[in-house]
Amino acid sequence: DMKVTQMPRYLIKRMGENVLLECGQDMSHETMYWYRQDPGLGLQLIYISYDVDSNSEGDIPKGYRVSRKKREHFSLILDSAKTNQTSVYFCASSFRASGNTLYFGEGSRLIVV
Amino acid sequence: TQTVSQSDAHVTVFEGDSVELRCNYSYGGSIYLSWYIQHHGRGLQFLLKYYSGNPVVQGVNGFEAEFSKSDSSFHLRKASVHWSDSAVYFCAVNNAGAKLTFGGGTRLTVRP
Repeated sequence: DMKVTQMPRYLIKRMGENVLLECGQDMSHETMYWYRQDPGLGLQLIYISYDVDSNSEGDIPKGYRVSRKKREHFSLILDSAKTNQTSVYFCASSFRASGNTLYFGEGSRLIVV
Repeated sequence: TQTVSQSDAHVTVFEGDSVELRCNYSYGGSIYLSWYIQHHGRGLQFLLKYYSGNPVVQGVNGFEAEFSKSDSSFHLRKASVHWSDSAVYFCAVNNAGAKLTFGGGTRLTVRP
């Protein structure tokens, strides 16, 4: 079953706490992504991973880091969360040979207070 | 630099109407053009994609899109919408690389 799974789906954290958002896919896709979506700003690419330990900054990487130790897992880490990181975060994966059609997870809603 | 513009932030139609959602892009090389749909509170789902060949591509649920090189456009159409088509629609462009650029989205509301 082709699926991208995000955990947790909802999270409330205090400013300065660390945040771990996890993403898994069962399609053996090489490429994985983290986006954030905010009203009026559309989808913004945070990081892209081309395969295990092959990560590249997207358009808004500041304040975030990622980890990809297995092809099927891609984590987004916020060290010392800030209130302006309140957002909905989407993970996606794609298969290079398909022209990179993206499969998205259901999103993780993070509130930083 | 590749850019994608969706000129209509909101479109409202009645059930059974036809609809066209507009997408214009700027990019100099060979590109993939695609459309995604996002229902409220959900992730994006792929609808259709164009790379080459027939400029009219068919997608799921009766959607189709037409590529025009002269207009730098890739508009999405549906002949008869259903209330369940209410969602936000995103146009996206990428070259052979993996980075997609998304437009700002068009919210489609279908009234009964």
